[in-house]
Amino acid sequence: QKEVEQNSGPLSVPEGAIASLNCTYSDRGSQSFFWYRQYSGKSPELIMFIYSNGDKEDGRFTAQLNKASQYVSLLIRDSQPSDSATYLCAVNLYYGNNRLAFGKGNQVVVIP
Amino acid sequence: EAQVTQNPRYLITVTGKKLTVTCSQNMNHEYMSWYRQDPGLGLRQIYYSMNVEVTDKGDVPEGYKVSRKEKRNFPLILESPSPNQTSLYFCASSLEGRSNQPQHFGDGTRLSIL
Repeated sequence: QKEVEQNSGPLSVPEGAIASLNCTYSDRGSQSFFWYRQYSGKSPELIMFIYSNGDKEDGRFTAQLNKASQYVSLLIRDSQPSDSATYLCAVNLYYGNNRLAFGKGNQVVVIP
Repeated sequence: EAQVTQNPRYLITVTGKKLTVTCSQNMNHEYMSWYRQDPGLGLRQIYYSMNVEVTDKGDVPEGYKVSRKEKRNFPLILESPSPNQTSLYFCASSLEGRSNQPQHFGDGTRLSIL
């Protein structure tokens, strides 16, 4: 099993709708979880991080973490065309060593 | 402005010709790391450094070397580049390596090895 999996294919959402992205991870000892946004040809940009079970909201973004089920999700409310990008889930696998394992990413396309 | 700076941004070179990609951060970060990104494979860690003079292998270290003589700099060295090292490379840094700090990425270096 891969360390971090993002299985969904490209996601198309109408402008103003909610985009929902999911990520599962294999190491039950993982401590922290990050969502990065990457525009084509650009570097990953941190948009959210979450360490505790539950929801964390920042503007139009909400990260949800369920350690028992080993998944983390990202909701984008009121999606805008500028949200069209690839979203990368990253998991810190070893506390004390800031090694990140990344999923392959999910492409989001917001349709005006 | 707080940033991670990589140079060069683009490089086309030939097999076997040694090259160095520089990475510098101005945030006094302890932790620095190199990743490569390939289609279908995602971001994979090459090497990382917890602090000055402390480096270790990541997931795909073969064919690469690094050094960390100063806190701000973490160069990636390809002693004898091969075509399978053609990729998009990112340097990243975080405040500390011994805590769950978000990593901040440089703008990337696109390498083509012919």
